Amino acid sequence: DTGVSQNPRHKITKRGQNVTFRCDPISEHNRLYWYRQTLGQGPEFLTYFQNEAQLEKSRLLSDRFSAERPKGSFSTLEIQRTEQGDSAMYLCASSWTGEPYNSPLHFGNGTRLTVT
Amino acid sequence: GESVGLHLPTLSVQEGDNSIINCAYSNSASDYFIWYKQESGKGPQFIIDIRSNMDKRQGQRVTVLLNKTVKHLSLQIAATQPGDSAVYFCAERGSGNQFYFGTGTSLTVIP
Repeated sequence: DTGVSQNPRHKITKRGQNVTFRCDPISEHNRLYWYRQTLGQGPEFLTYFQNEAQLEKSRLLSDRFSAERPKGSFSTLEIQRTEQGDSAMYLCASSWTGEPYNSPLHFGNGTRLTVT
Repeated sequence: GESVGLHLPTLSVQEGDNSIINCAYSNSASDYFIWYKQESGKGPQFIIDIRSNMDKRQGQRVTVLLNKTVKHLSLQIAATQPGDSAVYFCAERGSGNQFYFGTGTSLTVIP
């Protein structure tokens, strides 16, 4: 399977704990995005990387959230001191941007986080 | 910031009929639009895209129409099948290269 892979698929944690999610994008893609989706809503943009550089962060991304893409391949999203409001599906997407074309975002199946 | 909205949150169609899902966007500078299908427990799946220099694009059983004058996007699904039942999202690429999604339309196909 050469699609976007996310791990774990589900994570249940207690309030106050730290969690880390991993995303493996499509290998030839240079951009990687993180989105958050709550029930009945569309995905909300959190941040994106071009290769290893984090180019943009949403105001939604509080200082408890940090994302990395150290070698321009896989990415991790860490949430520190989780709160119940962090419960959501965290989606990763990747794309190719550059000549001769820009590809659409291709999403993984997400990590569902439940904070108890 | 940009906002993308959908006219109808739910849509029910008979199997074999055509479906039309509408989407309004607010940023006239958006240059790229994508329709996604999302099934329960899965991530959004790419259906079709269109760039702002086009007003129509066709795929297999799907057509996207873009009306930049009224900032409106639609997805037409021909001969709707039970497997088309899902939530459909439109997304627009804003000025900052991030994509903004609407709240989605839930399509139910009645056999």
